[in-house]
Amino acid sequence: QQQVKQSPQSLIVQKGGIPIINCAYENTAFDYFPWYQQFPGKGPALLIAIRPDVSEKKEGRFTISFNKSAKQFSLHIMDSQPGDSATYFCAATPGGSGGSNYKLTFGKGTLLTVNP
Amino acid sequence: DSGVTQTPKHLITATGQRVTLRCSPRSGDLSVYWYQQSLDQGLQFLIQYYNGEERAKGNILERFSAQQFPDLHSELNLSSLELGDSALYFCASSVGWSASAGELFFGEGSRLTVL
Repeated sequence: QQQVKQSPQSLIVQKGGIPIINCAYENTAFDYFPWYQQFPGKGPALLIAIRPDVSEKKEGRFTISFNKSAKQFSLHIMDSQPGDSATYFCAATPGGSGGSNYKLTFGKGTLLTVNP
Repeated sequence: DSGVTQTPKHLITATGQRVTLRCSPRSGDLSVYWYQQSLDQGLQFLIQYYNGEERAKGNILERFSAQQFPDLHSELNLSSLELGDSALYFCASSVGWSASAGELFFGEGSRLTVL
């Protein structure tokens, strides 16, 4: 059962555009929502993360918007560059107690292409 | 460079065979996570070890097993391999036992091809 639904599957924008990637979750116990960036031939790397006590977090050109009531969060990339072309994964995990709750559940990824 | 080392980078083997993937976590990290990445399923959590003990289990097949050794490196053993096991296998590490406490650092993966 996929617990984090990510869309779109792929996205093409022009340099300077603002790609938006959306994720939705079902598990209300989730309380940590990171985004990972993966370049071809490399492992995913943490880009930015948010906890549900804030509705927005910005780091450089990357912004997470979080809507707790809708159980949705999204990544916005301002002034996108060709170097931002990569696969982006949203993820979520609960805090606290043990067992399988420790796992970080990933969305299926969005392949972003930024054309020059 | 994440500091997580995985070997081998590429592996080609036949159905029915057994392989072992190795992971060395970042210095100081006590948790090791294994993920399987395929085109249709994305990143699937397999198992987590913390300081030598199994901490969490995901969709890991019974044909697969893992362990974390006293020096904190980990091995993922895949046996009775099937064509569908072909995938990228990632190891990640973190300082603490909870994925919500901070960043997971991923290695570059081991690409397994089963023919």
